[in-house]
Amino acid sequence: QITLKESGPALVKPTQTLTLTCSFSGFSLTTSGLAVGWIRQPPGKALEWLALIYWDDDRRYSPSLQSRVTIIKDTSENHVVLTMTDMEPDDTATYYCARYLIGAGQFDFWGQGTLVTVSS
Amino acid sequence: DIQMTQSPSSLSASVGDRVSITCRSGQAIGTYLNWYQQRPGKAPRLLIYGVASLQSGVPSRFSGRGSGTDFTLTISSLQPEDFATYYCQQSYGNPRTFGQGTRVEV
Repeated sequence: QITLKESGPALVKPTQTLTLTCSFSGFSLTTSGLAVGWIRQPPGKALEWLALIYWDDDRRYSPSLQSRVTIIKDTSENHVVLTMTDMEPDDTATYYCARYLIGAGQFDFWGQGTLVTVSS
Repeated sequence: DIQMTQSPSSLSASVGDRVSITCRSGQAIGTYLNWYQQRPGKAPRLLIYGVASLQSGVPSRFSGRGSGTDFTLTISSLQPEDFATYYCQQSYGNPRTFGQGTRVEV
């Protein structure tokens, strides 16, 4: 059974750095062809992809956020961590992590999401 | 960025209706087109990957087709649990991009 779960603060202040952890089970991020990604969704709005980390440690970032976002993996602990610097109110969103398959580039399993509010 | 444009943005339908949602990409994306369903307050769920492949566990009333820049998700007979928002997503280019969503409501 494949599961993913996001964890992190529910509230951050403007200019602070957000750190989110995706804990997963049922697969290994050492398996060829797999990746884990982060996607966010502001309240009432569409999905926005943020970052991907592949089994071989290759990383891809959304160009619009690349200067603020870092993704790393800990394969021994089955964790992927996303950090986002200089948080602002427009970053308020539900943040999801999801497993990614390189075949068609699909996100086939998703976490439940975690709502992060940016407010002073 | 490859822009993904869905139409309509919302539609009203009834149980048993055949419903189609269109997704147009800003450039050709091969078969790197996926569809997701999102119910209120829930995470997205993969329905269709690679334009037309049905994800395991997804009912066969869902189907996808298309090529080049034009793609379609069809629900052959709408069920009560299908009232949700649907998103297309491309993985041909970086960044991965989603459509703006199509809300299917009563």
